Amino acid sequence: AQKVTQAQTEISVVEKEDVTLDCVYETRDTTYYLFWYKQPPSGELVFLIRRNSFDEQNEISGRYSWNFQKSTSSFNFTITASQVVDSAVYFCALSGYDNNNDMRFGAGTRLTVKP
Amino acid sequence: NAGVTQTPKFQVLKTGQSMTLQCAQDMNHEYMSWYRQDPGMGLRLIHYSVGAGITDQGEVPNGYNVSRSTTEDFPLRLLSAAPSQTSVYFCASGTAKPYGYTFGSGTRLTVV
Repeated sequence: AQKVTQAQTEISVVEKEDVTLDCVYETRDTTYYLFWYKQPPSGELVFLIRRNSFDEQNEISGRYSWNFQKSTSSFNFTITASQVVDSAVYFCALSGYDNNNDMRFGAGTRLTVKP
Repeated sequence: NAGVTQTPKFQVLKTGQSMTLQCAQDMNHEYMSWYRQDPGMGLRLIHYSVGAGITDQGEVPNGYNVSRSTTEDFPLRLLSAAPSQTSVYFCASGTAKPYGYTFGSGTRLTVV
């Protein structure tokens, strides 16, 4: 069975600090996809990134970066120079490579960025 | 470009009542699913569909029913509401390959 663990329930930082959100996953599949979603206070779910299991290159998008390490089954998300608008719940998710049938989400990490 | 539309946004039910949460998408996505979000538990998959006429159970299907008569619509039925079904419900759609879902804005359901 697939499982995603986000051990950090809540994180609070001061604006401009860097913060890393941890994600550890379990799967018996040899190929799979990993995702991060953001849920701001308004409640909608926003897709941030998808990473397939073949590609262990780190990804950077502006202040966001993702570190995928297959050896430790982790897909961590770092926000550099955090801003108040980054305050949200962030979910890590895992799905099979060939289908969308069973995407599993972690419990989420609530990030609060204080001014 | 509506994306995924869920109705209603809020609903209060009495125990034992039935209702249908509506979900429609206009992106011609094959895949649609229903999740429930509860504090500390993330999103849990209730039911999903990989195309019209095809549905299957997810992680927490008990007490819910679905059907998919068209590509666009995927309603979720609560047969006899229970307080344990108090939750926020999200509908999602996507292509057959897992390139990332588009989520609806959610339905906050309270069962009293």
